[in-house]
Amino acid sequence: GAVVSQHPSRVICKSGTSVKIECRSLDFQATTMFWYRQFPKQSLMLMATSNEGSKATYEQGVEKDKFLINHASLTLSTLTVTSAHPEDSSFYICRGGNYGYTFGSGTRLTVV
Amino acid sequence: SQQGEEDPQALSIQEGENATMNCSYKTSINNLQWYRQNSGRGLVHLILIRSNEREKHSGRLRVTLDTSKKSSSLLITASRAADTASYFCATSGAGSYQLTFGKGTKLSVIP
Repeated sequence: GAVVSQHPSRVICKSGTSVKIECRSLDFQATTMFWYRQFPKQSLMLMATSNEGSKATYEQGVEKDKFLINHASLTLSTLTVTSAHPEDSSFYICRGGNYGYTFGSGTRLTVV
Repeated sequence: SQQGEEDPQALSIQEGENATMNCSYKTSINNLQWYRQNSGRGLVHLILIRSNEREKHSGRLRVTLDTSKKSSSLLITASRAADTASYFCATSGAGSYQLTFGKGTKLSVIP
């Protein structure tokens, strides 16, 4: 079946630094990738939708300059959290759009 | 925006018992799905039910959908300790792969 590989699974970074999260579709071409954020004990909130070869679409309230999304190829989408702050600490997870229901394994980001 | 609302928020049962979780949503849908998430891990797709279906089974899972009430239920029969996880419903509209998640039910199955 369709597999989305997400890395890293865990990352701890210092406040003010940037962190890049990668999602790769391993056996299918993902023209669309959805990025979600999940705070502890809460549900998944859609942050943005990345589209191969075009600009990402951000949900209301999500700062596009802070959460940079790049979808340069049909198999790779990246989310970069720039100038991270402790309040950005969360679980970030991607989902491949073409097959609809294939999630990455998530990235636990802790900003100290 | 959040659409699905699950209840209960938390459920604790003994191994072997059945677990029922409910989900309500607000707008029309193309399909409704249920996912499982183990603590700190990714989501596992459990089952999808289309808007024109009323009931679906998969192993120990039984899902119902009532579009007139905009609600769905997930029944896990003969629960096991390994079923301990959070369960989320998610809805998808016509012509869209975008999913809107509910708040989830945290299920604890006590051995």
